[in-house]
Amino acid sequence: NAGVTQTPKFQVLKTGQSMTLQCAQDMNHEYMSWYRQDPGMGLRLIHYSVGAGITDQGEVPNGYNVSRSTTEDFPLRLLSAAPSQTSVYFCASSYLEGGKQYFGPGTRLTVT
Amino acid sequence: DAKTTQPPSMDCAEGRAANLPCNHSTISGNEYVYWYRQIHSQGPQYIIHGLKNNETNEMASLIITEDRKSSTLILPHATLRDTAVYYCIVRVATGANNLFFGTGTRLTVIP
Repeated sequence: NAGVTQTPKFQVLKTGQSMTLQCAQDMNHEYMSWYRQDPGMGLRLIHYSVGAGITDQGEVPNGYNVSRSTTEDFPLRLLSAAPSQTSVYFCASSYLEGGKQYFGPGTRLTVT
Repeated sequence: DAKTTQPPSMDCAEGRAANLPCNHSTISGNEYVYWYRQIHSQGPQYIIHGLKNNETNEMASLIITEDRKSSTLILPHATLRDTAVYYCIVRVATGANNLFFGTGTRLTVIP
């Protein structure tokens, strides 16, 4: 199993550009989520999904969009990038028991 | 989900046991204690979790007090590779996928 994979590893955007961060898992997990981590801080939940076709907002959803068309994939879209979205983004997945999660390696995003 | 309190940093000598405390005085009866760690800038890694009994796995032991208001994560023989930020999280076991990470404890293992 590859576990949770994320692409790209690094990305630089200009203000106003849009892009999609990719996340995939091969463990047949129903639950997937996106977090962001700013320097020196803990992780904050952006969006999550409890299964294909079902998504919901987390703590900091503004400026981000998600969809879940398959069990395996959970892309995160930045609609119009802003410098405040400079961060490291982690995707995670879990079994029905939501507390034990598997995290991807992260995408480091810089918005100039 | 209950809030947790952890010391911001701790040191531990290599080969010794590392004992990381966590206070969760407002924990509810159906909430579990989870521990994760984050090495450098990698994705967080699940370590262990428990409800009220002490738990042990290949990575660590988790000791939860009888009143469940605090817990301790024990790394029995710390190595340099255990240097990381350790997060204590309290939440129900099932349901929506929202783990509330705080700022954790930065453990430094000293040679």
